[in-house]
Amino acid sequence: DIQMTQSPSSVSASVGDTVTITCRASQDISSWLAWYHQRPGRAPKLLISAASSLQDGVPSRFSGSGSGTDFTLTISSLQPEDFATYYCQQGNSFPYTFGQGTKLEMK
Amino acid sequence: QVQLQESGPGLVQPSQTLSLTCTVSGGSISSRSYYLHWIRQPAGKGLEWIGRIYTTGSPRYNPSLQSRLTISVDTSKNQFSLKLDSVTAADTALYYCAREGGHGDGFDIWGRGTMVTVSS
Repeated sequence: DIQMTQSPSSVSASVGDTVTITCRASQDISSWLAWYHQRPGRAPKLLISAASSLQDGVPSRFSGSGSGTDFTLTISSLQPEDFATYYCQQGNSFPYTFGQGTKLEMK
Repeated sequence: QVQLQESGPGLVQPSQTLSLTCTVSGGSISSRSYYLHWIRQPAGKGLEWIGRIYTTGSPRYNPSLQSRLTISVDTSKNQFSLKLDSVTAADTALYYCAREGGHGDGFDIWGRGTMVTVSS
């Protein structure tokens, strides 16, 4: 199985800050990487697919980059609704796997 | 607007079979080919991919569950289903169904999830 490792596991930030979350795959996954956020009591929501393709309706303050094994999600100008848990997920090969999650908390 | 809704019993006895159904509304799953998945999340923990099925069949399973798992699709009912045999407390989780628009494209539509507890 491809292991997905996110860092940090948690991060504290304030409204207006910029935050970067990284995701590392245990082997090359090309650009088959998606990012989600999950608010408490809600299903995950797809933010970015193919490493950098922003989903329709997702604010442009979210951006993704990377290929191969190293990926980043950057959230600029944090808004109150961005405080949630973020997951990366590889879709390169079965079984699909997720990172362990990064909890973005309000400072 | 395509929507997914999970249904099934919230409580399952240990060693029994967990059966869930995901109903797709807002479009016929046979009118377009896409991938339909099951994903679960134990309370307070991360996401685990269970398996997927194409709208014409061809299931793929997580090897960690494969010996106990069956995923099927019923296009006449616009539904797909999960059956997990010989459940234990470790199978207690929130179970989601989700759609992947194309292979590797991410899960763009999710159900709200249904909580399943394995307990006697």
